Amino acid sequence: EIVMTQSPATLSLSPGERASLSCRASQSVSSYLAWYQQKPGQAPRLLIYDASKRATGIPARFSGSGSGTDFTLTISSLEAEDFAVYYCQQRSNWPPLTFGGGTKVEIK
Amino acid sequence: QVHLVQSGAEVKKLGASVKVSCKASGYTFTSYYIHWVRQAPGQGLAWMGVINPSGGSTSYAQKLQGRVTMTRDTSTSTVYMELSSLRSEDTAVYYCTRGGLYSYDYLDFWGQGTLVTVSS
Repeated sequence: EIVMTQSPATLSLSPGERASLSCRASQSVSSYLAWYQQKPGQAPRLLIYDASKRATGIPARFSGSGSGTDFTLTISSLEAEDFAVYYCQQRSNWPPLTFGGGTKVEIK
Repeated sequence: QVHLVQSGAEVKKLGASVKVSCKASGYTFTSYYIHWVRQAPGQGLAWMGVINPSGGSTSYAQKLQGRVTMTRDTSTSTVYMELSSLRSEDTAVYYCTRGGLYSYDYLDFWGQGTLVTVSS
């Protein structure tokens, strides 16, 4: 099973700042990585797939990069609605699909 | 538009079973997989398994093998997830989620979630 590790656990930033979230895989997942956003009381929402492709309707301030074992989700300028928990997920070698433990982006 | 509507919250006793439904609409039911993902209180996301509504084939997380069963009814575009021998650690929100818009294993649309509480 591929283990996904996200860092940091919590990121404290102000609106307008740039956020960089990290996700590391225990073995190469090529570019088969997705990012999800989850707000309190809501289901997750797909943001990025194949490491760098934005899902339909996702604003351009969200971008993904990386391949192999190291990936980054960048939010170029945080808006109020972006404060949430973010999860990465690999689909390279499944079952099982595996998720990272999440990074909470909170208001500083 | 795409909708995945799940059944309501459940409270179950230790050792009992629960069956959660997920009714799909707004797309061709048999063209997309349905995955189940659960989230314990304050915790992250955990994949439980997947069903292909076209033929009914399934794949389950190893730790749930023998306790989870996923089925579908194509006449009503509904998928079911049954979990048996419930334990306290099964208390979680259970989500059905669709895979297939970009790949069968990226989860592009999610149900609203069903809270299952297991109590003694």
